[in-house]
Parts: sequence; structure tokens; C-alpha cells
Amino acid sequence: KAGVTQTPRYLIKTRGQQVTLSCSPISGHRSVSWYQQTPGQGLQFLFEYFSETQRNKGNFPGRFSGRQFSNSRSEMNVSTLELGDSALYLCASSLDWSTGELFFGEGSRLTVL
Amino acid sequence: GQQVMQIPQYQHVQEGEDFTTYCNSSTTLSNIQWYKQRPGGHPVFLIQLVKSGEVKKQKRLTFQFGEAKKNSSLHITATQTTDVGTYFCAGRSGYALNFGKGTSLLVTP
Repeated sequence: KAGVTQTPRYLIKTRGQQVTLSCSPISGHRSVSWYQQTPGQGLQFLFEYFSETQRNKGNFPGRFSGRQFSNSRSEMNVSTLELGDSALYLCASSLDWSTGELFFGEGSRLTVL
Repeated sequence: GQQVMQIPQYQHVQEGEDFTTYCNSSTTLSNIQWYKQRPGGHPVFLIQLVKSGEVKKQKRLTFQFGEAKKNSSLHITATQTTDVGTYFCAGRSGYALNFGKGTSLLVTP
């Protein structure tokens, strides 16, 4: 079956702009979670959605937001971009986020200039 | 809040040598997972440990979960160049999921 699909794979933005990233989970997976990966901080949890509801949220500012649609596809948005937002943003889907394995997408690499 | 510390940060071994990475949590975990990320790739699930003192093996990889469910280790016997990558642990406590910063393994032939 198809894996987790993230788009776009690469993007370059300038400070102050906003960006929207998309994630299509594995068919049948209703949980989608998002992570920020940087060399210095490793993998940091952003938020998790299940059946269109945000169930868990990491320790990120309000500039980071997300949503999930009825077909389980998810988007995350970062507004007022800062240089420090440059990172690989990974999406993962699972049958049950609280107990099951995570299937990661290839990620969206964001560069903020 | 819960923190997961992982050591070492880097490990460089000769092919055939053994390798171990350790994870320690500040709180008791309900389960711990291990992932591998190849250079330029995305994390791939390796295993999940749930029970206190659990030991699981996958070919040359041995995973352990501590008796107190606050620490875990991954041991690779006789490393191969295909083992290159970063190994992450991810510990769950309640609804929190925290990743260690990973151990980057470099294997030279």
C-alpha cells in the first residue's frame, strides 16, 4: 500500500512569510502527527490529530498550527516565518498514535532566508 | 516535563565491531520505540518495547527495556556498513511522546 506522502518536498521562503505543508497518511490511518527535525534539537513533536481533532500538542508557539480533514489528510501552517523555522518537517501516520508504530513521510524541507 | 536523553551522540566503529546506544527517561514510560533514519531519509520504525525487563532481538539487533521502564538500549552485534544511520528512541508517558536526539552511527569498512 502507498506510504505517507508529504508535499512539497522542498521549499524556500523569506522571513515573515507563511507556509502550508500537506500530509496524506496511509489509507486507513486516522492519526496524523507532525514533527520538526533540526540538527541541534533532533525530532520535536508539534501536534497530533485524530478524526479531525487535535488531541496532543507539543511546546511550540501559536505560529505553528494544523488541521485534519475528513479524509484524514492533514496540513500544518507556520505563519510569520523566522530563520529558526528552517528544518525538516516530518509527518507520521498511525492506526493509534498512543500505542502503535509511526509511519513517517519523506518530509518537507523548509529553508527560511 | 518528560525528557528522553540518548547517548552517545555519535559513534564511529570499524565494520565488525559492536555498537550500543542508550536512552534514559526522567519519568516512567508506558512503552518505548526505536527508529532508524538513514542519511537523507526518514525515520523507520524498528521495534516497540512495552514490558518491564523486555528483551527483543532482530537478527543482529538486541533491544532492552529496563526493569523500571525508564531506560532502554539498542545493541548491534558485528556492525555492517548497512547499519549506518541515526538511531532514535521515542518514549511514551501518558499522551506525551518524546524522542531522544539520536545516536549517529558511522561504520567504516
